[in-house]
Amino acid sequence: LAKTTQPISMDSYEGQEVNITCSHNNIATNDYITWYQQFPSQGPRFIIQGYKTKVTNEVASLFIPADRKSSTLSLPRVSLSDTAVYYCLAQYSGGYQKVTFGIGTKLQVIP
Amino acid sequence: SAVISQKPSRDICQRGTSLTIQCQVDSQVTMMFWYRQQPGQSLTLIATANQGSEATYESGFVIDKFPISRPNLTFSTLTVSNMSPEDSSIYLCSVDAGASSGANVLTFGAGSRLTVL
Repeated sequence: LAKTTQPISMDSYEGQEVNITCSHNNIATNDYITWYQQFPSQGPRFIIQGYKTKVTNEVASLFIPADRKSSTLSLPRVSLSDTAVYYCLAQYSGGYQKVTFGIGTKLQVIP
Repeated sequence: SAVISQKPSRDICQRGTSLTIQCQVDSQVTMMFWYRQQPGQSLTLIATANQGSEATYESGFVIDKFPISRPNLTFSTLTVSNMSPEDSSIYLCSVDAGASSGANVLTFGAGSRLTVL
């Protein structure tokens, strides 16, 4: 299982773009980078997944450079409702492998 | 994606008692997972429950303490036995939501918050 490292916490003002970087130096060929979001008193929910280059959906963008040793989750124009914990995971795509969560990044959006 | 319902959403329990948490999924799934999230901590996988077979427990978790049932493809239960205050946590049920490409993603229930006095 590839280990991921991300900042423990971040603060941002409303309306700003937030970039959360995740390091995964020993990522395997079959691993995809997956981000989950967890609000207080809720289970985590899937945000975005990517393998290489850039992926964008209605919630976020994910940038993964060619060497895949890191990735950046970008949240455009955050609002107070984006206050949550964001988890970066390297997930195996070749079949079932247990999913392990790290500490995550606690994002606090400030008015 | 699958919708997961967990019961109870929260409970306050006395030391030494046991509590069973139910997880109902609105579609048939092969694998279900139980996680624990202690206050201020990340999620820790307790066990993987496949229908028709014994649950597979992670290191540090044993069947006597956390018995799991998986009677069909849409339902599972986790029992927290002989509870102590250290068992105060959020217990989360999860299923593999599959993926059209890439790695499978997980869908989680809202969790069951247990407080043991």
